[in-house]
Amino acid sequence: DIQMTQSPSTLSASVGDRVTITCRASQSINEWLAWYQQKPGKAPKLLIYKASSLETGVPARFSGSGSGTDFTLTISRLQPDDFATYYCHHQWTFGQGTRVEL
Amino acid sequence: QVQLVQSGAEVKKPGASVKVSCKASGYRFTSHGISWVRQAPGQGLEWMGWISTYNEKTDFAQKFQGRVSMSTDTSTSTVYLELRSLRSDDTAVYYCARDCDVTSCFDFWGQGSLVTVSS
Repeated sequence: DIQMTQSPSTLSASVGDRVTITCRASQSINEWLAWYQQKPGKAPKLLIYKASSLETGVPARFSGSGSGTDFTLTISRLQPDDFATYYCHHQWTFGQGTRVEL
Repeated sequence: QVQLVQSGAEVKKPGASVKVSCKASGYRFTSHGISWVRQAPGQGLEWMGWISTYNEKTDFAQKFQGRVSMSTDTSTSTVYLELRSLRSDDTAVYYCARDCDVTSCFDFWGQGSLVTVSS
């Protein structure tokens, strides 16, 4: 099975910061990677699919990049609404999550 | 608009079974498969399995083989998850999630159903 490893597990940041979260696959997954945002008590929300495609309605400050085994999610200028947990996902495997906190 | 509406919270005793429903609306039901994903308290997301709403083909995570079943009712656009032989570590929020159109992702999620397993 393909394993997905996210880092860091927790990230402390301030409003306006540029934030980068990484996700590494144990073998090549081409561009078949998605990113989700989850807030406490809520279902995950799709942000990015196919590694770099922005889901409709998601602010342009979110971007994804990468292919093969190494991927990144970048938030260009962190907003108060962005403090949440982020997960990468490929097929039936999720990363462990990255909590972005103040 | 696309919606996935799940059944309410359940409390079950160890060894019992639970059946969670996920009612879809706002799109052609048979055009997207549905996965079930669970999240234990304070933990990450765990994929349990997938069902084709077109032909009821299923694919389960090895961890749940033999304990899980999934089914659909196309007349009501509803997908069901049944988990048997419940244990305390099955306590979690269970989500249904719709497959994206053309790639590996989930574009719409249900609101989640809390299942608590306690004696």
